[in-house]
Amino acid sequence: EVQLVESGGGLVQPGGSLRLSCAASGFTFSSHWMAWVRQTPGKGLEWVANIRHDGGQIFYADSVKGRFTISRDNAKNSLYLQMNILRAEDTGLYYCARGYETQANWFDPWGQGTLVAVSS
Amino acid sequence: EIVLTQSPATLSLSPGERATLSCRASQNVNNYLAWYQQKPGQAPRLLIYDASNRATGIPARFSGSGSGTDFTLTISSLEPEDCAVYYCQHRRNWPLTFGGGTKVEIK
Repeated sequence: EVQLVESGGGLVQPGGSLRLSCAASGFTFSSHWMAWVRQTPGKGLEWVANIRHDGGQIFYADSVKGRFTISRDNAKNSLYLQMNILRAEDTGLYYCARGYETQANWFDPWGQGTLVAVSS
Repeated sequence: EIVLTQSPATLSLSPGERATLSCRASQNVNNYLAWYQQKPGQAPRLLIYDASNRATGIPARFSGSGSGTDFTLTISSLEPEDCAVYYCQHRRNWPLTFGGGTKVEIK
């Protein structure tokens, strides 16, 4: 069974940092694009970043470019999101998602999400 | 940025009825459009990709159509478990964006 399990969320002050992790199992992690997608009260579903199966291509939403870094460790079947200079508008539920079959930009399945709250 | 506008915001129908959900793109996205279903307390699930292809395991009552700027998700005969919010998403260019969702309620 394909599983994606996120962790690392929590409450952080504005300007702070968090590192999210996503543990993947049940499929060949090193063969798939992976992504982070967030769901926020203000903007609904928002794509955050994508990374190619080998890490050789990475794309970011403008809203996080320069502050967030997506990475992966194929030996550990893990995806990461380093989030720096956090803002209140980054508050939301962060999902890890797999590229569907060979597709980079359709997402399925998704994890259950990890909650990030940015507040003083 | 391509804006996806979904309508209606809420659809309230009885079991067995046909549901028609709309997604309009602010620019041509060719057929690069997907539909997702999100049930309460759950993550989204891919239903349809490339406008009309059902994802693995998706029941045949779900179908997608359209190209360019106008797209439709049809649920041919509503089941109680179809109560959810449905989102569209494009992959025509960066950034990838989602629509605001249509909530389907079962009477």
